[in-house]
Amino acid sequence: EVQLVQSGAEVKKPGESLKISCKGSGYSFVSYWIGWVRQMPGKGLEWMAIIYPGDSDTRYSPSFQGQVTISVDKFINTAHLQWSSLKASDTAMYYCVRVGIIPADGVYDYWGQGTLVTVSS
Amino acid sequence: QSVLTQPPSASGTPGQRVTISCSGSSSNIGSFPVNWYRQLPGMAPKLLIYRNNQRPSGVPARFSGSKSGTSASLAISGLQSEDEADYYCAAWDDSLNGFCVFGGGTKLTVL
Repeated sequence: EVQLVQSGAEVKKPGESLKISCKGSGYSFVSYWIGWVRQMPGKGLEWMAIIYPGDSDTRYSPSFQGQVTISVDKFINTAHLQWSSLKASDTAMYYCVRVGIIPADGVYDYWGQGTLVTVSS
Repeated sequence: QSVLTQPPSASGTPGQRVTISCSGSSSNIGSFPVNWYRQLPGMAPKLLIYRNNQRPSGVPARFSGSKSGTSASLAISGLQSEDEADYYCAAWDDSLNGFCVFGGGTKLTVL
């Protein structure tokens, strides 16, 4: 059974750094792109970035390029999303997604349970 | 402002057929397949329709998708109370380095 299990909720202060994680299981982790989707409180879905664990090739949304860093540790089947300096506007639910076959299909066939990030002074 | 445009809300009564539209451009819907996601209250989204009109295993046949030019539609027939959810369209966009874009979402209410 394919599963994406995300790290737990985080409460941080503005300016702090953060790294959240997503562990994949039940499939060949290195063979599928994996990525992140943001959902701010009461708002819609926003695509952030994806990475291919096989060679760490990445794609970023222009809206998030330079704001976050996506990475992967293929030896522990885990993807990460990292901030160097959080802002209050980063408060959101972050979902990990598995990309089905190729990025240009835009198919996200499995989703993690979500990681709630709260940034507040 | 989302790249893909959806109506913010839609509604119907049990048993009715409702459609939700998704409008884009030549760089996204006009060139790539459209996928639809459903998000039940308090839950993670799930894939509902992929590659314009394909249903993943377990999705009932009363859900269907279509695409024409730079627009797409999701149709739900035989509306049920449990269909009350947020629905999102998505497609790849080949602007810049390539990235995925979502619609703003449509909240479906079953009256």
